[in-house]
Amino acid sequence: QTVVTQEPSFSVSPGGTVTLTCGLSSGSVSTSYYPSWYHQTPGQAPRTLMYNTKTRSSGVPDRFSGSILDNKAALTITGAQADDESDYYCMLFMGSGIWVFGGGTKLTVL
Amino acid sequence: QITLKESGPTLVKPTQTLTLTCTFSGFSLSTSGVGVGWIRQPPGKALEWLAILYWNDDKGYSPSLKSRLAITKDTSKNQVVLTMTNMDPVDIGTYYCAHRWQWHYDHWGQGTLVTVSS
Repeated sequence: QTVVTQEPSFSVSPGGTVTLTCGLSSGSVSTSYYPSWYHQTPGQAPRTLMYNTKTRSSGVPDRFSGSILDNKAALTITGAQADDESDYYCMLFMGSGIWVFGGGTKLTVL
Repeated sequence: QITLKESGPTLVKPTQTLTLTCTFSGFSLSTSGVGVGWIRQPPGKALEWLAILYWNDDKGYSPSLKSRLAITKDTSKNQVVLTMTNMDPVDIGTYYCAHRWQWHYDHWGQGTLVTVSS
């Protein structure tokens, strides 16, 4: 069974840039997987950041961007802020009505 | 305004069947392209996608849980129901329902915590 992979953790300095990735244990991620990204703070429901690879959800600032990078979906945060500290999850559409989440990345801003 | 709310038992015994209801408003499950999905999250762990029901009654299930899951709808009540059989302590977690639109889940319920214990 194909696993969706994410970095378990990442650290970025305030004002810095970080790129989180979302890959497959077997194969490459393309736009056909319709990558979407969610963030979640403790005790809260997830909220959508990005969908269809690079479409920002309503209200998401343009310092968040999505792309396909080196056969992985990527979420880039430019000018990181303290309140970007969160868990980030990607999700891929695997076909046949099946969706899969990655294991999540815990982003620390310090 | 789209809202979703999960309801169901907070405690089930091992081997029992869990039945969760997602009651929604602000959209119709008869609208082309719309779906309602279920996602769960064990305490301190990652999100896990479980199932989805589409406007045309197509369904999708997590391959690893497919034999235990069933998703149905009651269009007149604006509800989607998820049943999971043979509950086990590893199924403990927060269960979310979410509105699916344009290849993502854009609105989520607050979640409901389910515990499995005898």
